[in-house]
Amino acid sequence: GAVVSQHPSRVICKSGTSVKIECRSLDFQATTMFWYRQFPKQSLMLMATSNEGSKATYEQGVEKDKFLINHASLTLSTLTVTSAHPEDSSFYICSARDQVLAREKLFFGSGTQLSVL
Amino acid sequence: AQKITQTQPGMFVQEKEAVTLDCTYDTSDPSYGLFWYKQPSSGEMIFLIYQGSYDQQNATEGRYSLNFQKARKSANLVISASQLGDSAMYFCAMREGRREGNTPLVFGKGTRLSVIA
Repeated sequence: GAVVSQHPSRVICKSGTSVKIECRSLDFQATTMFWYRQFPKQSLMLMATSNEGSKATYEQGVEKDKFLINHASLTLSTLTVTSAHPEDSSFYICSARDQVLAREKLFFGSGTQLSVL
Repeated sequence: AQKITQTQPGMFVQEKEAVTLDCTYDTSDPSYGLFWYKQPSSGEMIFLIYQGSYDQQNATEGRYSLNFQKARKSANLVISASQLGDSAMYFCAMREGRREGNTPLVFGKGTRLSVIA
């Protein structure tokens, strides 16, 4: 079945540094990927829609200059948290759908737990 | 208004018993899809079941079934013969629009299910 790989699974960084999270679709092409954020004991909130070869679409309240998204190929999207601060500590998870087969299922990466000290 | 409402923050069920997790949704789009995902403590999102708005029959996947009541806009998840491994967070989600489109999922707040031996 379709697999989405996300790395790293866990990262601890100092305040002010940048962190890059990778999301790869391993056996299908994804022109669109979605990035979600989940705070402890809360639901998944959509941050942005990543479009291959074009600019990402950000949800209201999400700073595009802070959360840089690059979708340079049909199988890779990256989320860079720039100048991270403790309030950015959260669980970040990417997802994609196999549009070629028009599968309904949205496949998720395993998530990245970001802790900013 | 919330698109997906899960009114049960937590549920307990005895092992081998059945349990129903409630979900109501709100949309004016005639075409939509409803999903249930399981999130264990590891954080991964595990797809359980899907119901399309035009599907005539309730979806079933092994021990999971979706009680789809379109007029009431409800999509409750029924888990039969509960197992200890079913203890997790359960999220109801909706995609609006045609299935060929590529819109993200909107998630409810989730229900934490605890299976008791």
